[in-house]
This record gives sequence, structure tokens and C-alpha cells, in this order.
Amino acid sequence: DAEITQSPRHKITETGRQVTLACHQTWNHNNMFWYRQDLGHGLRLIHYSYGVQDTNKGEVSDGYSVSRSNTEDLPLTLESAASSQTSVYFCASSEQGLNTEAFFGQGTRLTVV
Amino acid sequence: GNSVTQMEGPVTLSEEAFLTINCTYTATGYPSLFWYVQYPGEGLQLLLKATKADDKGSNKGFEATYRKETTSFHLEKGSVQVSDSAVYFCALPLLNNAGNMLTFGGGTRLMVKP
Repeated sequence: DAEITQSPRHKITETGRQVTLACHQTWNHNNMFWYRQDLGHGLRLIHYSYGVQDTNKGEVSDGYSVSRSNTEDLPLTLESAASSQTSVYFCASSEQGLNTEAFFGQGTRLTVV
Repeated sequence: GNSVTQMEGPVTLSEEAFLTINCTYTATGYPSLFWYVQYPGEGLQLLLKATKADDKGSNKGFEATYRKETTSFHLEKGSVQVSDSAVYFCALPLLNNAGNMLTFGGGTRLMVKP
């Protein structure tokens, strides 16, 4: 069965370190997204991609970057981790189109100490 | 861009009680509307959707009707179960194009007691 997986599921890192969160989907979807989930804010869009070599900034992109070298993967990099980036991160993918369902990974809980 | 507002939780109900979670939206045109559910420790999964005005989405006993007159998409269930305890998110496309990035409400936590 097709799926979307995130790794690691839990990560503790120190302030100032570079961290990369992995997202891999086998749906062959063109669209991929990264969200963060925080109490009181719901889900907020960090970055998104509509296809290989395409990346776009979302609502809360400062301090984050992504790259899309193939269809399956959209890694999220925190260039210099800050305590404000402690959060749960979700990756999602979808087919193109207005009515299509987004499929979510199980999330990565990141703690920056 | 489009936006959505949903009632804050938590909502605490007894088993077999009636559930309503309010969701209102602001949008240009008539985009599709979605309800997602997040069970403890898991990612979000689609619960139901409606693609045009007056459509009713339904799944697992949950229903929501796309009402353009009141710009609402309230989630309802006639008789909740303990297994329905989760966080529920209302969502719609942020922009009316083919990109399909979604914007979400803040989520409503439902707790059902036996």
C-alpha cells in the first residue's frame, strides 16, 4: 500500500544545530507540504512543493528550508534550531486539483533545548 | 487567501450524546471544504469532504453540509462513542488554484466519556 512516512518520530536537539526531518511518500504525488502543529495555533504551513525542483514559502517559513530533488522526498531543514521551533511537524502529500485529499505522515516531535 | 474558524474546545460529552462542532469559512468562490480527524499520536486523516454548495459529506456516522448562505460547514454526529475521542480540524484550500495547499482551523478536541 502507498504511504507517507516521516523520520525520526522524535528528536531532541540543541539550540543552534542544523536538523533535517525526512518525509517520504510512495503515492507518486506531485504536491508535498510541511506543517507545524502548536497548541493554540492549529496547523501552520511552513513550505510546499508542486513538483521536482519546485519549492515555495508558506506562512511560517523563517528558519526553515526544503529541497525537492525527486518526487518521493521533501526533507525539511532547520538551519539553526531555536527553542521557538519546538513543535510537532507533519508532512503531507496530495494529487493536484482542488478537491483532492491530503495524506499526512504520523508526525515528528522535535524538541530544541 | 481563504480562512476558516472553528469552535474552541475541549468538548466533553457522554457516550451516545449528540455532537456539533461549528466551522465557518471566508472564501472567494466556492472551494471544497474538509473535515480532518487526528487520533492520539497519529497524523491527520480525512474524515469527510464536500465539493460544492449544498453538498453533504458523510463518513463513520459524521455529517457536514456545505452551506453557502451562512458560510458554514458544521460537523455533526447523532450518537458519539468513546472511540470518537480525537481532535477535529475544519479545512479548505488556502488559494483557489490547483495547488491544493490547505488552511486549517485551530482544531477542536472531543472527549467522550463512557
